[in-house]
Amino acid sequence: GAVVSQHPSWVICKSGTSVKIECRSLDFQATTMFWYRQFPKQSLMLMATSNEGSKATYEQGVEKDKFLINHASLTLSTLTVTSAHPEDSSFYICSARTSPGLAGGFGHTQYFGPGTRLTVL
Amino acid sequence: AQKITQTQPGMFVQEKEAVTLDCTYDTSDQSYGLFWYKQPSSGEMIFLIYQGSYDEQNATEGRYSLNFQKARKSANLVISASQLGDSAMYFCAMREGGSGGSYIPTFGRGTSLIVHP
Repeated sequence: GAVVSQHPSWVICKSGTSVKIECRSLDFQATTMFWYRQFPKQSLMLMATSNEGSKATYEQGVEKDKFLINHASLTLSTLTVTSAHPEDSSFYICSARTSPGLAGGFGHTQYFGPGTRLTVL
Repeated sequence: AQKITQTQPGMFVQEKEAVTLDCTYDTSDQSYGLFWYKQPSSGEMIFLIYQGSYDEQNATEGRYSLNFQKARKSANLVISASQLGDSAMYFCAMREGGSGGSYIPTFGRGTSLIVHP
């Protein structure tokens, strides 16, 4: 099946620093990638949707200047948490999807990465 | 309004028994997809099963089956012959489509399943 990787799997940083998280689709081209945030024992909260070559679409309440998303290629999207603070500590999960118009457009075409646990001290 | 409702925050089941995890959804679209994901303590989201709104038969994948009742807007996950490794969080999700559909899945709050020996 399709594989999505995330790097790093966990990161600890000091308050005020920036952290970059990479999301890669390893064996397919992802026209769309999603970034989610998950607090302990809670559901996934969609932060933004990014399409290759265009600006990301952020969900309401998500600061686009704080969470920079770049989707420069069909296999790579990055999320940069700028000037991280302790309240940004969370589990960040990306997912990648091929075009919804292809066969299985309502099928299992969204593949999740293993997540990145960010701890800001 | 919540689009996906999982009313069971936690469930316990004995090993080898079957368990049903509830999920109800809300949509006005005719075309939509329903998903179940498993999230073990490692955090990875594992796809389990999918049901399309036009599928007439309930989806099955090994020990997982989806009890799809369209009129009641429910999509319960049934796990047969539970195993200790089934202990995890389970999320129900829906992706709406059709004109104006976002194709972006909406997740429920999840149900924590604990399988005990």
